[in-house]
Amino acid sequence: DGGITQSPKYLFRKEGQNVTLSCEQNLNHDAMYWYRQDPGQGLRLIYYSQIVNDFQKGDIAEGYSVSREKKESFPLTVTSAQKNPTAFYLCASSIRGTSNEQYFGPGTRLTVT
Amino acid sequence: AQSVTQLGSHVSVSEGALVLLRCNYSSSVPPYLFWYVQYPNQGLQLLLKYTSAATLVKGINGFEAEFKKSETSFHLTKPSAHMSDAAEYFCAVSDRPSNTGKLIFGQGTTLQVKP
Repeated sequence: DGGITQSPKYLFRKEGQNVTLSCEQNLNHDAMYWYRQDPGQGLRLIYYSQIVNDFQKGDIAEGYSVSREKKESFPLTVTSAQKNPTAFYLCASSIRGTSNEQYFGPGTRLTVT
Repeated sequence: AQSVTQLGSHVSVSEGALVLLRCNYSSSVPPYLFWYVQYPNQGLQLLLKYTSAATLVKGINGFEAEFKKSETSFHLTKPSAHMSDAAEYFCAVSDRPSNTGKLIFGQGTTLQVKP
C-alpha cells in the first residue's frame, strides 16, 4: 500500500533539545517537502528537495535542517535555534515535471515546553 | 510572486445547503489549481485539481470547482452539505511550468455544518 508515513504522531521535547521528525514515502516520488502549520496561518514551506542529495530552503527555513540521502526519506530536524517550534508538521511528496500535485503524510504534532 | 486568497476563514452552512468556498489566484498565466481538505489532526487530502482541459472539475465526495480565467477564481462548491464535510479546506496554486514543484497555499477556510 503506497503512501507517506510520518512518525511519531505526537512528539514532546524540552526546550533547547534538537528533535528529528521522520518522513518516508514508497511512492517513488522524486520531490519531497516539509511544511509547518499553525492555526490560522495555512501551510508554510520549510524545506524542499527535488532529487537525492539536493534540497532548498523554503520560506521559513531558519532553525530547521534536512537531509536527503535516500529517495524515500526526508527527515527534518528542529534545532534549538527555532524560536517557536511547537506546531503541526506535514511532509509531502510529488512527481517532478507534472502538475505538481502533492501527496501528504498524516503529520507530526510537536510540542516543546 | 504567485499568491492565492481564500475569502472567508470560516464558513457555516446548514446540513443539506449549498457549500461555496471561494479562492482567487494572482497569476496572469493560468496556473495549476488544487483544493485540499484536512480533517482535525490529519494530513491534507486532494479533493480535485485543475490542470487544463475542462474548466469544470469534479472531485471526490461530491465536490466540484470551476476555473474562471476572467475572474482569476477557482471556487469550490457542493450542492448539499453533509455533516462529514466539516473540515478545513485549502486552495493551492502552482506555476505552469514550475521549476520547483512548489505549491502556494491559501490561509484555509474552516467549514462548519450545522444539523
